[in-house]
Amino acid sequence: GNSVTQMEGPVTLSEEAFLTINCTYTATGYPSLFWYVQYPGEGLQLLLKATKADDKGSNKGFEATYRKETTSFHLEKGSVQVSDSAVYFCALSGLNQAGTALIFGKGTTLSVSS
Amino acid sequence: GAGVSQSPSNKVTEKGKDVELRCDPISGHTALYWYRQRLGQGLEFLIYFQGNSAPDKSGLPSDRFSAERTGESVSTLTIQRTQQEDSAVYLCASSQRGGIETQYFGPGTRLLVL
Repeated sequence: GNSVTQMEGPVTLSEEAFLTINCTYTATGYPSLFWYVQYPGEGLQLLLKATKADDKGSNKGFEATYRKETTSFHLEKGSVQVSDSAVYFCALSGLNQAGTALIFGKGTTLSVSS
Repeated sequence: GAGVSQSPSNKVTEKGKDVELRCDPISGHTALYWYRQRLGQGLEFLIYFQGNSAPDKSGLPSDRFSAERTGESVSTLTIQRTQQEDSAVYLCASSQRGGIETQYFGPGTRLLVL
């Protein structure tokens, strides 16, 4: 079945460090891929998405490229800030009968210190 | 405009009692989703509504779980005869039409079954 695997955290970085959070997926068909972020005390919000192979989603300095050949959608940021501390979830569109439910990874906690 | 709202924000109940969780989606959004997040786990899809019909209930874990939606408005998730394993954060999301459109999440209801 469809599934998402993301690297376990927590990930602890110093400000201005380079960030990579790995995400790989298993899916039949051609899912859309998403990264959601949950800041402390807030609800989940969409960070970026890509709907087809080789698409690059980007937002707030974060980027992720939809790689069909490696079934991956790794999240990257060149220089993290303390305000990026949050839990990051990789997800794909569920390809169920309604084609709409999201399948999430378990989440990766990022902690950035100054 | 207002985002997705959920109530109550926290609920503590005793094993065996019924609970009702409420979700108010963004006005005009026809698609509504319920997810569950147990501690240390990713989000699990429960049920999807398009308008007031539920074409996908595949994620409901048992017949103790049910959900309704009034038109394209409020939805309630009911858990009967709660068990300790039902303890989780229950998240509601809505999107304009479903499909691969962005889902907007509410802050969740944290349910604790003693």
